[in-house]
Amino acid sequence: QKEVEQDPGPLSVPEGAIVSLNCTYSNSAFQYFMWYRQYSRKGPELLMYTYSSGNKEDGRFTAQVDKSSKYISLFIRDSQPSDSATYLCAMSAGYKLSFGAGTTVTVRA
Amino acid sequence: DVKVTQSSRYLVKRTGEKVFLECVQDMDHENMFWYRQDPGLGLRLIYFSYDVKMKEKGDIPEGYSVSREKKERFSLILESASTNQTSMYLCASSLSEAGASTDTQYFGPGTRLTVL
Repeated sequence: QKEVEQDPGPLSVPEGAIVSLNCTYSNSAFQYFMWYRQYSRKGPELLMYTYSSGNKEDGRFTAQVDKSSKYISLFIRDSQPSDSATYLCAMSAGYKLSFGAGTTVTVRA
Repeated sequence: DVKVTQSSRYLVKRTGEKVFLECVQDMDHENMFWYRQDPGLGLRLIYFSYDVKMKEKGDIPEGYSVSREKKERFSLILESASTNQTSMYLCASSLSEAGASTDTQYFGPGTRLTVL
């Protein structure tokens, strides 16, 4: 079993829809949770960063962490075609990050 | 803005060749990382370095070595390339000390390596 599980999709939604992405994990020591966005032929860039459980909002993006369920989510409101990318969850307990496989999202105009 | 550059975007090598992948960061970051990215497997850490001449193995170091002679430069070396090393290789750097990856990692654009 992988340490971090993420449905690879692909996910296709119409413009303006809410995109919901999630990851589950098995290592209860994880305390730092991140979402990276990766456009085609580019390196990943940090989108959201959360410490421990709770919610964090940044513009159209909301990250949620439920440590009791070992489950994290990313919501994108009012999705735009420019949000079309691969979204990777990542988490850490210390010196290294563990990544999910990434979910490819396409937002149709 | 932090900039992480990688020497090549695409590389084609033959089985058995020695391959060098170079990564340079311009923000005086302490930590540098090498990952490979494969479909369905996400990013897997090969090696990382938290200081000049210091290195630590990641999750999949077999078949790879690294070199960090200067703070800004971190090289990944495939001593004898094999077809199962065909992959996207990503370099990253971060600021915090002692190899803590909780600080933001900034990624380069990646090198797509094909080994024939």
